[in-house]
Amino acid sequence: NAGVMQNPRHLVRRRGQEARLRCSPVKGHSHVYWYRQLPEEGLKFMVYLQKENIIDESGMPKERFSAEFPKEGPSILRIQQVVRGDSAAYFCASSAGQGNNEQFFGPGTRLTVL
Amino acid sequence: AQSVAQPEDQVNVAEGNPLTVKCTYSVSGNPYLFWYVQYPNRGLQFLLKYITGDNLVKGSYGFEAEFNKSQTSFHLKKPSALVSDSALYFCAVPLRDSNYQLIWGAGTKLIIKP
Repeated sequence: NAGVMQNPRHLVRRRGQEARLRCSPVKGHSHVYWYRQLPEEGLKFMVYLQKENIIDESGMPKERFSAEFPKEGPSILRIQQVVRGDSAAYFCASSAGQGNNEQFFGPGTRLTVL
Repeated sequence: AQSVAQPEDQVNVAEGNPLTVKCTYSVSGNPYLFWYVQYPNRGLQFLLKYITGDNLVKGSYGFEAEFNKSQTSFHLKKPSALVSDSALYFCAVPLRDSNYQLIWGAGTKLIIKP
């Protein structure tokens, strides 16, 4: 059962370092979404990508954050020069199409910035 | 503005008793409504959704939810709680004019005591 896979599951970085989070969607899914979850809060939408295209990045900070979903390989969420406020759980989800399709979530990457 | 509220941070229920996790919404037009569950250190799992039709929606793990338009509510219910139902539960609605971006409630922690 190849669901959404994320790695690493836990990532520790010092302030100023780069964090790379990877997400492999469900096989056959071409739509990927990234969310951030702070403790005791719900998910916040960050970015929506289809293969090789960013469809909506309205929830992603303009600086230091970037996302890609190349033709081959996983989707990558990249955070440059991390700060303590970036500490959170980052979840990836995928769907077979747009239009209120059920989104399948990965187990998340827990980023801790020291 | 579209919004969803989960008025209870935590719900405690004895095993075997019925449970209700509350969700109210504020959307224009006919709402789509979702419930997801998050087990510790896991990603979110889809439970059920309401799109149209029967106000009582049945989902995974014996859960159901009742759509009440007059009360703008979509409460999650289960007739007999299990200890394994202990988890975080999130209600969500699609962002207006978006068919993929969800607005999430803050979550309700459900604790089932043996």
